[in-house]
Amino acid sequence: TQLLEQSPQFLSIQEGENLTVYCNSSSVFSSLQWYRQEPGEGPVLLVTVVTGGEVKKLKRLTFQFGDARKDSSLHITAAQTGDTGLYLCARGGGGSNYKLTFGKGTLLTVNP
Amino acid sequence: DAGITQSPRHKVTETGTPVTLRCHQTENHRYMYWYRQDPGHGLRLIHYSYGVKDTDKGEVSDGYSVSRSKTEDFLLTLESATSSQTSVYFCAISEYQTDTQYFGPGTRLTVL
Repeated sequence: TQLLEQSPQFLSIQEGENLTVYCNSSSVFSSLQWYRQEPGEGPVLLVTVVTGGEVKKLKRLTFQFGDARKDSSLHITAAQTGDTGLYLCARGGGGSNYKLTFGKGTLLTVNP
Repeated sequence: DAGITQSPRHKVTETGTPVTLRCHQTENHRYMYWYRQDPGHGLRLIHYSYGVKDTDKGEVSDGYSVSRSKTEDFLLTLESATSSQTSVYFCAISEYQTDTQYFGPGTRLTVL
């Protein structure tokens, strides 16, 4: 099993602060997805990155895919209480079955 | 939002009883997946399907079986439920030749 390590596991910050969470692997990704999951709901896709060095922005969220395609980061600027949730990264395995391997996630709490 | 429903949303059952969870999609996507989510383990793949009557095992398939007789429905069966199968179960779908998955709202199963 090719593991995905996410850090930190837990993060509690005040509204307005900036934060970065990380997703790392020892092997190359064919693609990487970031999801956010709110309590009692299923994960919701935020972004997919496929190219080394790629940077994507989604409002206050900035996603970066490492040049070597072994790591990714998610940066949130001026966090809001609505950003609270579990952030999951998932790597594509390639091949013909399109299975994903998920990290254990970063649980973010943004306090008012 | 992708058209994915799961039923039931909550179920409490006793050890040794059979349980079937249903996932229904209206997107006509080829791939469907069943995951379980547990604290400390993240999302783990149980079984997946790459077409009608075409299924394969994931990393935690012991004690589970699946069936897919129509494109839109993917059933997960616990033949004889055990307490270790208490979990939140998520269904996901994806289009052909893509790593991006869309998740249903989940089923919370408690085995007493």
